[in-house]
Amino acid sequence: AQKVTQAQTEISVVEKEDVTLDCVYETRDTTYYLFWYKQPPSGELVFLIRRNSFDEQNEISGRYSWNFQKSTSSFNFTITASQVVDSAVYFCALSGVTGRRALTFGSGTRLQVQP
Amino acid sequence: DTEVTQTPKHLVMGMTNKKSLKCEQHMGHRAMYWYKQKAKKPPELMFVYSYEKLSINESVPSRFSPECPNSSLLNLHLHALQPEDSALYLCASSLFAVNTEAFFGQGTRLTVV
Repeated sequence: AQKVTQAQTEISVVEKEDVTLDCVYETRDTTYYLFWYKQPPSGELVFLIRRNSFDEQNEISGRYSWNFQKSTSSFNFTITASQVVDSAVYFCALSGVTGRRALTFGSGTRLQVQP
Repeated sequence: DTEVTQTPKHLVMGMTNKKSLKCEQHMGHRAMYWYKQKAKKPPELMFVYSYEKLSINESVPSRFSPECPNSSLLNLHLHALQPEDSALYLCASSLFAVNTEAFFGQGTRLTVV
């Protein structure tokens, strides 16, 4: 069985603060893929990143960075110097290679960035 | 171009109506998906098409009927819906049905009255 847990339901920060969104996953697959999506109020889910289970290198893309740690089954997402436009719901998701291969989403974290 | 286009953006229908949701992508993706999303919840997978064949049906009631006329188009036919079916319906596509990132459309906000 696969499971993704995003324990933070809602986070509120002030602009320019750094914020980390937590994601913990469970899977029996040794090969799997992790994703982050952003859902602004318009409704569309925007793909942010995909990592495979063999690549534990952290990744940075502009103000966004991701920390993948297999030892703790976590794939956390940090936004540096947050902006109002970062306000959205963020979903972490997992797909495996056996059994259920479609995306398993976490419950999402709503991020509010106040000006 | 990473665009998935869904029409209509909003739809209000009665419980006896028949309507269809449409989805189109021109990225050459071979997998297409329908998801249902209720307010403050994550998307729930409904159907997966891979190479124009239905590969996953997540026990969706028969009042929802998917159709994939070709590799670029995906429809969702709606008939005799219930008010609890009101939700955001999201279409997505990915290069393949496994382990590649999915790109989502903006969704259709459906209200059943």
